Amino acid sequence: SQQGEEDPQALSIQEGENATMNCSYKTSINNLQWYRQNSGRGLVHLILIRSNEREKHSGRLRVTLDTSKKSSSLLITASRAADTASYFCATDATAGKSTFGDGTTLTVKP
Amino acid sequence: DVKVTQSSRYLVKRTGEKVFLECVQDMDHENMFWYRQDPGLGLRLIYFSYDVKMKEKGDIPEGYSVSREKKERFSLILESASTNQTSMYLCASKDWGPSYNEQFFGPGTRLTVL
Repeated sequence: SQQGEEDPQALSIQEGENATMNCSYKTSINNLQWYRQNSGRGLVHLILIRSNEREKHSGRLRVTLDTSKKSSSLLITASRAADTASYFCATDATAGKSTFGDGTTLTVKP
Repeated sequence: DVKVTQSSRYLVKRTGEKVFLECVQDMDHENMFWYRQDPGLGLRLIYFSYDVKMKEKGDIPEGYSVSREKKERFSLILESASTNQTSMYLCASKDWGPSYNEQFFGPGTRLTVL
C-alpha cells in the first residue's frame, strides 16, 4: 500500500489565495519530499524536509513535518495560475527508495 | 542541466507484443527507477537498480523485467504486453548516498496496449 496519502485529492482556488495540501504516512521516515507534476509530464522536486526538522521554506513554499502525527503539509502562498499542477509527497524509509502518495490536483483560477 | 530522457512520449502496442521502454540519464547517477502512474493509484514502483547489472523488485514487478547493462541506461521490458499495462511510465534517477534524495524524472511514456 502507498506510504503517503495526500489530502485533499483536488483543490480549486483563485489566484492570490494560499493553497494547503496535506500528506499522511504510516511508518517512520528519514525524510519527506514534495514533488510537482504538470499535466502529462514527469515530476519535479520542490523541497525536502528531514525527520529532525519541523518547518522549511523555499520561496513561496512552506513545508511542515509532524513526526508524532506522521503528517506533513505543503503551503503555497500567493498562488498563481502557473501553480496549477499535481503535487505529490514522497517518503524515504528504506535507503534509496521513495514511496509516493496519490497526489493532490491543484487548480488556480486566474 | 541534468537530464533524464525516455525513448518515446507515446507508444501504441498490441496485446502479446514485446515492448521495450528505454531511459537514459546523463548525470552519472547510480540509482535508477521505473514507475507506473495510474489515476487514483499514484506512482507505483516497478523495479529499481542500484548499479550496473543490479536490479531489485519494486511493489508491482509482475509482468515486467528490466535491464541495466550500462550505468546511464535502464530499460523496462514488457515480455508480453497486456491491456492492463496501459499506463504512464516514468523513469527516474538519483545519486547514491544519504545526502542525495532528489529523484530526477523523465517526461514519461504513455503506453497504450490494444
